[in-house]
Amino acid sequence: DAGVTQSPTHLIKTRGQQVTLRCSPKSGHDTVSWYQQALGQGPQFIFQYYEEEERQRGNFPDRFSGHQFPNYSSELNVNALLLGDSALYLCASSFAGSKNIQYFGAGTRLSVL
Amino acid sequence: AQRVTQPEKLLSVFKGAPVELKCNYSYSGSPELFWYVQYSRQRLQLLLRHISRESIKGFTADLNKGETSFHLKKPFAQEEDSAMYYCALNSGSARQLTFGSGTQLTVLP
Repeated sequence: DAGVTQSPTHLIKTRGQQVTLRCSPKSGHDTVSWYQQALGQGPQFIFQYYEEEERQRGNFPDRFSGHQFPNYSSELNVNALLLGDSALYLCASSFAGSKNIQYFGAGTRLSVL
Repeated sequence: AQRVTQPEKLLSVFKGAPVELKCNYSYSGSPELFWYVQYSRQRLQLLLRHISRESIKGFTADLNKGETSFHLKKPFAQEEDSAMYYCALNSGSARQLTFGSGTQLTVLP
């Protein structure tokens, strides 16, 4: 089992552009959560997807959107990129009946210039 | 709103010494607390959760609702314990983790 996989590992964009990050959950998991981790900070919850719907959302603007596919994989989209969006984006997967034990991917490092 | 505070950004101890990483939380309901660890060049991974009341790699953590704390302790630190440690809170049905800002633990030889 490869665990949670994220792609790409690194990404460089310019202000105003749009970006899509991808996540494949651990085998057997049906729930995907996305977190943003700024330098020197802990991960901050963006949103969670279950049964192809956004189930919970953190304090992030509508520029951040997502999607979950029937195979449970997920995408995070960010529109109109700002310099402040530069961060490590982490995907975590879990099984709905697992009392919220989340398994994390290695992350995608996004740099906005 | 829920909040997790880890007051120490950096903590250094000598090998064999006791170590305690502090975590305080703010939440009005019944919280579920976790400790996650990130070793160098590895991904974030669960170390332990208060519901299990388990000891992992010699680490334990007790939930103190009166002091709203969930400090991580180990009686004899090892060099391989050097890592970034994050305390996290799951507020019941919210299913989202709120993380502290982390403590970088360095165990000196």
